[in-house]
Amino acid sequence: DTEVTQTPKHLVMGMTNKKSLKCEQHMGHRAMYWYKQKAKKPPELMFVYSYEKLSINESVPSRFSPECPNSSLLNLHLHALQPEDSALYLCASRRTGGENTEAFFGQGTRLTVV
Amino acid sequence: LAKTTQPISMDSYEGQEVNITCSHNNIATNDYITWYQQFPSQGPRFIIQGYKTKVTNEVASLFIPADRKSSTLSLPRVSLSDTAVYYCLVVKKSSGDKLTFGTGTRLAVRP
Repeated sequence: DTEVTQTPKHLVMGMTNKKSLKCEQHMGHRAMYWYKQKAKKPPELMFVYSYEKLSINESVPSRFSPECPNSSLLNLHLHALQPEDSALYLCASRRTGGENTEAFFGQGTRLTVV
Repeated sequence: LAKTTQPISMDSYEGQEVNITCSHNNIATNDYITWYQQFPSQGPRFIIQGYKTKVTNEVASLFIPADRKSSTLSLPRVSLSDTAVYYCLVVKKSSGDKLTFGTGTRLAVRP
């Protein structure tokens, strides 16, 4: 199994809503990532988890709250978002150790904030 | 982190070989060079990784000169389905390191 599964695929939410994005992998990867991608732009790193601990936060606004409940799951909790937060949110995972740097990406969640 | 520079876009025709060059002047000793492909509304997909000299797999080759300050992704005999954005990343081995995407190269393959 070399898949990273993201749910939901599409999400429309109001600015006062609270929602969560989910990401799951069963490859035993201990590094997991959240990215935000706007149209025709490269993926922009948001958070990195290493061994279930937050290791990098790229100065992301607090309305985005990541969580890594176990080694297979990564969540992104959303609250009080703005329309400019509408984007494709990508999750990725990567193995630890060794010389293989390959990261596996999910298909993303298309988020629309109205 | 080593910054990467790539051409913004390239055009090619089916059946041609395409070479995309990436500049990474401040690459460190323990950095690897990796390339990803991304189609619209999909996550990036790993293509190839290299440290030095030449690496080849079933889809591409990666050429890295001795000074490692640049690299070239070579796609043999492209088809329409190779139309995508190609990203060059410089990555450290350590698992918790950033994977930072540059602007990428938008490749358009025409019939």
